[in-house]
Amino acid sequence: QSVLTQPPSVSGAPGQRVTISCTGSSSNIGAGYDVHWYQQLPGTAPKLLIYGNSIRPSGVPDRFSGSKSGTSASLAISGLQAEDEADYYCQSYDSSLSVVFGGGTKLTVL
Amino acid sequence: EVQLVESGGGLVQPGRSLRLSCTASGFTFGDYTMSWFRQAPGKGLEWVGFIRSKAYGGTTEYAASVKGRFTISRDDSKSVAYLQMNSLKTEDTAVYYCTRLNIYNSGWYVDYWGQGTLVTVSS
Repeated sequence: QSVLTQPPSVSGAPGQRVTISCTGSSSNIGAGYDVHWYQQLPGTAPKLLIYGNSIRPSGVPDRFSGSKSGTSASLAISGLQAEDEADYYCQSYDSSLSVVFGGGTKLTVL
Repeated sequence: EVQLVESGGGLVQPGRSLRLSCTASGFTFGDYTMSWFRQAPGKGLEWVGFIRSKAYGGTTEYAASVKGRFTISRDDSKSVAYLQMNSLKTEDTAVYYCTRLNIYNSGWYVDYWGQGTLVTVSS
């Protein structure tokens, strides 16, 4: 059971906008720790997509955006493309001195 | 270019030990906290533990699932991080990733991942 809660799957047609939620608690996201997002393409290592709730590393398209409010965070992907089909994970830090993840969300581009 | 290369994975029997290595290049290794994550077949990501840089005391933290069995160490002179895994269980079967941690607003995130090495625990 993951500490952070994500929907198991989301889907959308090319060009559409999808969002992935990530819900935590008062000991992690609600304690003020930032949320970070990773993209894992099939058969590859994860890659940093968003850090500090909403900051895109160099090279990440601005179609990807993140936000945080209270004990939850969201990743939004606009202008969906076939190459966005992947697993997405949210991650934060917990007051128990541990790094915590969501269970992952599989994005299907219809 | 930052590179993290894991080695040492393979097939091991339950109860035995295995040591993974992570050779880093492209950055000043000693300045960073290094961490290990794992991903069981068909499952999500799981944090294993991390070792802080010497500037932060070089101390370690571990996930409850591996505490007391796994040990992370580092050799800054060689730019290598290690994961010593003892008393292995079948549920430790996973791809193990070496990562570099960065800090933002007092919370850690992974800015670079290795390609992963598969550890299979089976008799």
